[in-house]
Amino acid sequence: DAGITQSPRYKITETGRQVTLMCHQTWSHSYMFWYRQDLGHGLRLIYYSAAADITDKGEVSDGYVVSRSKTENFPLTLESATRSQTSVYFCASRGRTLGEQYFGPGTRLTVT
Amino acid sequence: DAKTTQPPSMDCAEGRAANLPCNHSTISGNEYVYWYRQIHSQGPQYIIHGLKNNETNEMASLIITEDRKSSTLILPHATLRDTAVYYCIVRSPTQGGSEKLVFGKGMKLTVNP
Repeated sequence: DAGITQSPRYKITETGRQVTLMCHQTWSHSYMFWYRQDLGHGLRLIYYSAAADITDKGEVSDGYVVSRSKTENFPLTLESATRSQTSVYFCASRGRTLGEQYFGPGTRLTVT
Repeated sequence: DAKTTQPPSMDCAEGRAANLPCNHSTISGNEYVYWYRQIHSQGPQYIIHGLKNNETNEMASLIITEDRKSSTLILPHATLRDTAVYYCIVRSPTQGGSEKLVFGKGMKLTVNP
């Protein structure tokens, strides 16, 4: 199906473990984004990518790593998960115009 | 990016038009107004955007005042499924570097039966 998907939808992991959140889009959009959403902070940008092999940090990138070897995939890795990374993570891709972003359903991550 | 101000919440009766206001008095000449919404437990959803002319699509209409200091998102026939947090965002299309969208607190619209 066309669109943007995220997996897993729910994940529980332990402090210190590495975890990877997947994002896949079928529109061939160049730009892709990772946000996290926490109560009291709203949506905050973690990383974004302008194209395959081009990535840049957002406002809360510490502790996260991204890669983009293919246009359609944009995985987000927590190298050593901490409790402060418990959050809902949203992936998005940009449509025709700047500011027009399409979001995935989110991954709810709990770090114990 | 210009700051936006929205009321924290609004109620609307099902089937009636919902008029959602947004103030952006410090908007610059090249900044667009974007509207998104987030239904509970879902990802944000793009609705519409505009520069200075009124815009309409299958979801909503966007009315921007002539001085561009405020705008109104209109849902012509609100349904229960339109209950969500609505975000008004202003940003420049040519802002260098980050493509960040600043969502702010938004406005909770509750559509009542």
